[in-house]
Amino acid sequence: EIVLTQSPGTLSLSPGERATLSCRASQSISSSLAWYQQKPGQAPRLLIYGASSRATGIPDRFSGSGSGTDFTLTISSLEPEDLAVYCCHQYGSSPRTFGQGTKVEI
Amino acid sequence: QVHLVQSGAEMKTPGASVKVSCKTSGYSFTSYTIHWVRQAPGQRLEWMGWINAGNGDTAYSQKFQGRVTLTRDTPASTAYMDLSSLRSEDTAVYSCARSSSGSYIDFWGQGTLVTVSS
Repeated sequence: EIVLTQSPGTLSLSPGERATLSCRASQSISSSLAWYQQKPGQAPRLLIYGASSRATGIPDRFSGSGSGTDFTLTISSLEPEDLAVYCCHQYGSSPRTFGQGTKVEI
Repeated sequence: QVHLVQSGAEMKTPGASVKVSCKTSGYSFTSYTIHWVRQAPGQRLEWMGWINAGNGDTAYSQKFQGRVTLTRDTPASTAYMDLSSLRSEDTAVYSCARSSSGSYIDFWGQGTLVTVSS
């Protein structure tokens, strides 16, 4: 199974700063990677699919890049509501797997 | 709008089974796949399997093969996850989620807490 490793575990930043989150796959998954935002007590929210396509209604401060084994989620200018755990997910190989998450503190 | 609404929290004893439902609305149920994913306390999300809501085909993670059964009721636009031989390590939030066939998950249910304890 493909293991997804996210870094850092926690990111502490101030509003307006840029956040860069990494997700590394143990094998190539082409562009079959999605990013989700998880807030306590809420269902995960799709941010990015296909490594770089923004989901409907997602602000353009969220962007994704990468292919193969190395992927990045960037939040260009943090807003207070971006406090959450961000998780990557590969859907290119079975079983589907998830990263362990990066917590963004503001 | 798309909604996936799950049944309520469950408390079970070791060795029992649990069945969680996922009622969908706002889209054509049979045109999508429903996945089941769980998250134990302090652990990452873990994919359990999927069911093609149109033809009923299923695929399961090897970890859960033989213990999990996914079914659906197409007139009711509802999917079900049945997990048997429960043990304490199965204590987790279980979520249903939607995707197009072979594609990314786009909508999730709110999650159902299953607690296994004697």
